[in-house]
Amino acid sequence: NAGVMQNPRHLVRRRGQEARLRCSPMKGHSHVYWYRQLPEEGLKFMVYLQKENIIDESGMPKERFSAEFPKEGPSILRIQQVVRGDSAAYFCASSNQGNTEAFFGQGTRLTVV
Amino acid sequence: GENVEQHPSTLSVQEGDSAVIKCTYSDSASNYFPWYKQELGKRPQLIIDIRSNVGEKKDQRIAVTLNKTAKHFSLHITETQPEDSAVYFCAASMGQGGSEKLVFGKGTKLTVNP
Repeated sequence: NAGVMQNPRHLVRRRGQEARLRCSPMKGHSHVYWYRQLPEEGLKFMVYLQKENIIDESGMPKERFSAEFPKEGPSILRIQQVVRGDSAAYFCASSNQGNTEAFFGQGTRLTVV
Repeated sequence: GENVEQHPSTLSVQEGDSAVIKCTYSDSASNYFPWYKQELGKRPQLIIDIRSNVGEKKDQRIAVTLNKTAKHFSLHITETQPEDSAVYFCAASMGQGGSEKLVFGKGTKLTVNP
């Protein structure tokens, strides 16, 4: 079991470009969470997905951000028209239920230049 | 709203001393409370967790206590070592049945001085 896999580990984008972050949950896990972490700050909840469903997206900005978790393949967090303020570490976590241990991926560090 | 408050934000102790980090949560229906340790540049990793049907849980030098009435829980690290230095996050499960999510505190940066 390879654990939660995120790629890329580092991503550099120019302002206005799109960023696409991928997360493959642990085998057998159908719950995926995305969190954003700014330097020296905590983990801010963005979105919670189960296969083909968004369960809670209350932490995700209404514009430019979207997430999906298709029946096949990884979960994708997509940021359109990135701005400097989007620079952060984005962590994905997975679990087999909503209120059990969540395992984190290594994160994707997005830098917008 | 859904909120987890964590204190202190920074904590410095001498090697061998104990460290205590406290969290309060807003949703009385929360029933799962994990603690994560995050070393610089690495992913958060679970170190201990507790469920609402238990008041205390211990694992070697780490213990967690839960007071459901007061809606607070605490992490206790005894005999601290320099390798305990990291950022620690508490979390609480929030939401309706089948759609709970983990809401995290803002973290405590623990420094253990040798």
